[in-house]
Amino acid sequence: KQEVTQIPAALSVPEGENLVLNCSFTDSAIYNLQWFRQDPGKGLTSLLLIQSSQREQTSGRLNASLDKSSGRSTLYIAASQPGDSATYLCAVGNNNDMRFGAGTRLTVKP
Amino acid sequence: ETGVTQSPTHLIKTRGQQVTLRCSSQSGHNTVSWYQQALGQGPQFIFQYYREEENGRGNFPPRFSGLQFPNYSSELNVNALELDDSALYLCASSFSGTGLEYFGPGTRLLVL
Repeated sequence: KQEVTQIPAALSVPEGENLVLNCSFTDSAIYNLQWFRQDPGKGLTSLLLIQSSQREQTSGRLNASLDKSSGRSTLYIAASQPGDSATYLCAVGNNNDMRFGAGTRLTVKP
Repeated sequence: ETGVTQSPTHLIKTRGQQVTLRCSSQSGHNTVSWYQQALGQGPQFIFQYYREEENGRGNFPPRFSGLQFPNYSSELNVNALELDDSALYLCASSFSGTGLEYFGPGTRLLVL
């Protein structure tokens, strides 16, 4: 059974700092890995999708990497802004479902 | 905005009642998945429907059931509600094979 863990559970940083969020998974036979953002009480917004054959994806200030052999993914956020404050979830996809981590709650202080 | 809508936005029920939640998929998507997200946790996969047939199910009891209609809208039905069913229910639509799901805003269910 796939288990997804995210560390840290919460993170508070000053504005402008670069930061890394971590995601680990137990079964390397994955279809893809996706990072989502969730604002309080809201649905999920997809940030980056990495297919199993890829090593990384970039979008603006965000960069996500995938290392299937070690069961790890990282989300790098450059030059963080207060608007980046949210919960960040990683999800590991197989053919017809996704397994989510519990998320990292990020606070960026002005 | 993802184009996926859910109704209602909030709902309060009492233990033992039944509830139906609705989802309208993004245009062109033929697959819908439902997730339950308890407070402070990540979403848990309930089931997925592809072309009106169940295409995978998570670890949820049979009192959680679903339907997908020819226009690819979907329903999640929960019978005999329990207090632990209180959660945010999310639906996500996709086009089969892309691996990219688009989530709706969710329905927050409170069971008293």
